[in-house]
Amino acid sequence: DTGVSQDPRHKITKRGQNVTFRCDPISEHNRLYWYRQTLGQGPEFLTYFQNEAQLEKSRLLSDRFSAERPKGSFSTLEIQRTEQGDSAMYLCASSLGQGHLYNEQFFGPGTRLTVL
Amino acid sequence: GQSLEQPSEVTAVEGAIVQINCTYQTSGFYGLSWYQQHDGGAPTFLSYNGLDGLEETGRFSSFLSRSDSYGYLLLQELQMKDSASYFCAVRSDYKLSFGAGTTVTVRA
Repeated sequence: DTGVSQDPRHKITKRGQNVTFRCDPISEHNRLYWYRQTLGQGPEFLTYFQNEAQLEKSRLLSDRFSAERPKGSFSTLEIQRTEQGDSAMYLCASSLGQGHLYNEQFFGPGTRLTVL
Repeated sequence: GQSLEQPSEVTAVEGAIVQINCTYQTSGFYGLSWYQQHDGGAPTFLSYNGLDGLEETGRFSSFLSRSDSYGYLLLQELQMKDSASYFCAVRSDYKLSFGAGTTVTVRA
């Protein structure tokens, strides 16, 4: 399977704990995005990487959130001191940086986070 | 910021045609994308309009009018498998800003 993969698919944690999610993009894609989706809503942009550089971070992201993309390959999203309001589906997407197909973002299956 | 409006629900019978409208207000606009999402699944790309006019991809077509800040997705020859949520999304440079989605239910 050469699509975007995410791990874990589900995470249940207690409030105050730290969690880390991983995203493996499509190998030739140099752009990687994180989104958050809550029930009945569309995905909301969180952050964006071009290769290893994090070029934008949404104001939705508090200081408890951090994302990395070492070596421009996989990416991790860490949430520290989780709160119940962090419960959501965290989606990763990747795209090419140029060419007509760069309009298309390919999404992974998501990590569903439940904070108790 | 971005603001998008689309109907919350549409119900139609197999074989019918459904049009999902999307109006947007945005600062910075490159184009309008459409994504489909089945329950529990990932959003999948359907179409993109960067210029005014109609784009056709099989049973699905998408239209954009930049001057009216308006677009629509047309689903033709509806099939049961088309029951899903459909999102319009404004593309501003690299990122997407999504609407709340339209749930399409196809009845036999």
